[in-house]
Amino acid sequence: DIQMTQSPSSLSASVGDRVTITCRASQTIGVSLNWYQQKPGKAPKIVIHAASSLQTGVPTRFSGSGSGTDFTLTISSLQPEDFATYYCQQSHSTLFTFGQGTQVEIK
Amino acid sequence: QVHLQESGPGLVKPLGTLSLTCGVSGDSITSGHWWSWVRQPPGKGLEWIGEVYHSGATSYNPSLKSRVTISVDKSRNQFSLSLSFVTAADTAIYYCAAFNNWFDPWGQGILVTVSS
Repeated sequence: DIQMTQSPSSLSASVGDRVTITCRASQTIGVSLNWYQQKPGKAPKIVIHAASSLQTGVPTRFSGSGSGTDFTLTISSLQPEDFATYYCQQSHSTLFTFGQGTQVEIK
Repeated sequence: QVHLQESGPGLVKPLGTLSLTCGVSGDSITSGHWWSWVRQPPGKGLEWIGEVYHSGATSYNPSLKSRVTISVDKSRNQFSLSLSFVTAADTAIYYCAAFNNWFDPWGQGILVTVSS
């Protein structure tokens, strides 16, 4: 299995802050890395696919970068609707695996 | 716009079989996606269960493979999950999702509790 490790597990930030979440794969996965946003009681929603491609309709304050084993999700200016849990997921191996999640909370 | 909707019992007895269906609307199940099941224990992270293609081809998470069957019903434009010999550890929100290099869209999810 390809293990996905996110850091931090949680963070507190204020509206307007720049937020960065990191995801590391246990082996190289190219750019086969996706990011999802999940709000309480809701299904996950795709935010970034293929490491850096912004999903249609997602605000441009979201961006993704990285390749190989190290990836980053950045929110350039945190908005109230961005408080949620974010998951990375690799699609390099057919045994799809997710990171443990990063909860973004209001400071 | 593609819409997925899970349905099935919300309560299953231990050692019984969990059976869920995902109805697909706004797209044909033969469109080229793989159709997946993902679960999330309450307050925890996401676990991929497996997927099916319209041809009937499947792929499963090895950790569940001995207990899982995912099938497709093209006539009803839906796909199904069967998980046998369930225990309390299988209590989770079960999501169906379309996969084409990433999971999108997702169903709203259905909570299944394993309890006597």
